[in-house]
Amino acid sequence: AQSVTQLDSHVSVSEGALVLLRCNYSSSVPPYLFWYVQYPNQGLQLLLKYLSGSTLVKGINGFEAEFKKSETSFHLTKPSAHMSDAAEYFCVVSESDTGRRALTFGSGTRLQVQP
Amino acid sequence: NAGVMQNPRHLVRRRGQEARLRCSPMKGHSHVYWYRQLPEEGLKFMVYLQKENIIDESGMPKERFSAEFPKEGPSILRIQQVVRGDSAAYFCASSRPGVSGDEQYFGPGTRLTVT
Repeated sequence: AQSVTQLDSHVSVSEGALVLLRCNYSSSVPPYLFWYVQYPNQGLQLLLKYLSGSTLVKGINGFEAEFKKSETSFHLTKPSAHMSDAAEYFCVVSESDTGRRALTFGSGTRLQVQP
Repeated sequence: NAGVMQNPRHLVRRRGQEARLRCSPMKGHSHVYWYRQLPEEGLKFMVYLQKENIIDESGMPKERFSAEFPKEGPSILRIQQVVRGDSAAYFCASSRPGVSGDEQYFGPGTRLTVT
């Protein structure tokens, strides 16, 4: 069984400030970890993913995330927020070695970027 | 290369009617997934299908819901005798054949409103 906890339902930052969206996961098997972004009334777009290897993962639009097994965390960061980053962000986990492909989503973090 | 297509984008049904949601996967993708998003929540896995086969339906409600992915044509999610609690956004995703961990590409969703 697996679960995802996104610690903040809303995060507000100023344009140019650091973005930190927190995510903790629970999984009985080694996880695959993802961050997806959802813009209003649209589908979801993959930002980045961790499958194995380097624990620091770089994604699109300047985002990156670090897999910390000891902390069971996969926090998403961006050094400098842009107005266009305002969206809903979902941390997602799936099982790596069972063949089960279902994604388990966190409840989402809504990012606001103030001018 | 067109992305995942879903139709209709918006669907209004009265209680007791049937809802049929369609999903055409990306070209070359033979795996389809359905997820449901209730207001202010993350997406919840419903079902995973390959052509003519249901692989994992662990997230499907036991009654009134069914899904298919025929040899020809789109995948269909069917909800019989809809109730107000079925109002949600339903997202379809597709992925390539192969190992787990491959990115799931999401469609724009169908927003079902039951009146």
